[in-house]
Amino acid sequence: SQQGEEDPQALSIQEGENATMNCSYKTSINNLQWYRQNSGRGLVHLILIRSNEREKHSGRLRVTLDTSKKSSSLLITASRAADTASYFCATDAGGNKLVFGAGTILRVKS
Amino acid sequence: DGGITQSPKYLFRKEGQNVTLSCEQNLNHDAMYWYRQDPGQGLRLIYYSQIVNDFQKGDIAEGYSVSREKKESFPLTVTSAQKNPTAFYLCASSPGTGGETQYFGPGTRLLVL
Repeated sequence: SQQGEEDPQALSIQEGENATMNCSYKTSINNLQWYRQNSGRGLVHLILIRSNEREKHSGRLRVTLDTSKKSSSLLITASRAADTASYFCATDAGGNKLVFGAGTILRVKS
Repeated sequence: DGGITQSPKYLFRKEGQNVTLSCEQNLNHDAMYWYRQDPGQGLRLIYYSQIVNDFQKGDIAEGYSVSREKKESFPLTVTSAQKNPTAFYLCASSPGTGGETQYFGPGTRLLVL
């Protein structure tokens, strides 16, 4: 079962622009995480935001969480060609496991 | 050099054959996971293990089996009962139980001859 749904499915931007991806989920969560996957590779953890947090930063990444709307957004500022990848949100809704969304494919054109 | 290793990178299965995918971690993590990823889709959980000699079914366990005899190792067997095994298989681990940060291996691509 996929709890998280990312939007948009695909995003194409120019280098230097900002990229925003959204994730919606259905049930209450303990935390929400974002991961990046380069083509044909494993996932890499980017950032974790807990249910009692509203915003978190890590370098060029900014994540927000709105538990009332059951949604999160990932903002990548000043994007680079190397940011081209698929981005997934994953939710911890209890049960000792994460549930991943279908992902957003980001393409940054140089 | 700590991390998770998966082997082989590519694996070919013949009809009616069982194949085993290897996953090893030296991060001293208690929990390990197997996911299946189909083209353009997210990850679906096959099996997970929170402790040695114990494991639980995920969302799509049918046609798969696992073992957890050692903390470091969590092999996945794709049995002949899995009729559509072509996919990218990812192994992950996390320090403890619960929805903590997971660390992923590089994946194994399984193809059917």
